[in-house]
Amino acid sequence: EVQVVETGGGLIQPGGSLRLSCVASGFSVSSDYMNWVRQAPGEGLEWVSALYTGGSTYYADSVKGRFTISRDNSKNTLYLQMNSLRAEDTAVYYCARAGSSWSSFDFWGQGTLVTVSS
Amino acid sequence: QSALTQPASVSGSPGQSVTISCTGTNSNVGGYNLVSWYQQHPGKAPKLMIYEGSKRPSGVSNRFSASKSGNTASLTISGLQAEDEADYYCCSYAGSSTWVFGGGTKLSVL
Repeated sequence: EVQVVETGGGLIQPGGSLRLSCVASGFSVSSDYMNWVRQAPGEGLEWVSALYTGGSTYYADSVKGRFTISRDNSKNTLYLQMNSLRAEDTAVYYCARAGSSWSSFDFWGQGTLVTVSS
Repeated sequence: QSALTQPASVSGSPGQSVTISCTGTNSNVGGYNLVSWYQQHPGKAPKLMIYEGSKRPSGVSNRFSASKSGNTASLTISGLQAEDEADYYCCSYAGSSTWVFGGGTKLSVL
């Protein structure tokens, strides 16, 4: 069964750093395009970042230069390193796989909440 | 990377059909046949309902269909059921390996 579980969220002060993890089961994170998508409280979805099978990484303008997506194949885990956090980064962060169709997200985790506040 | 435009809310009675629009630009919706649609119930993760414009993943009811004309994509839900009440989001490939979502539409089944 395909499953992804995100962890690492919490309360962090503005300017701080946090690393989110997404542990996958039922498939390999190195064999599919993996993404992070976030949702601010009461708001819509926002694509954040993608990691392709070949290792190429892509970011939304809103996080470019501050966030880094990576993976550990041995742990079958996707990461999102978030630095210089701002209040507007407050959101539930979802790990999402682009499986059979690279252009859509077919499996999502339940998300982890990141709150940036002093 | 401006969000795609969706109506804030739509409603319909059980058994009726509703259509949710998603308007973008030539740089996203109009430029690629790569629009996907997601259903999200309160407190839950989004669920893929449509991909590559009009394709349904295995297990998704054929009451859900989608199409595109120019810069506007549409999701139609026929034979509305109570469990269809949820938020719906469109998403389009926007070039350069980036994606853009719509602002979301709240569907109420009256």
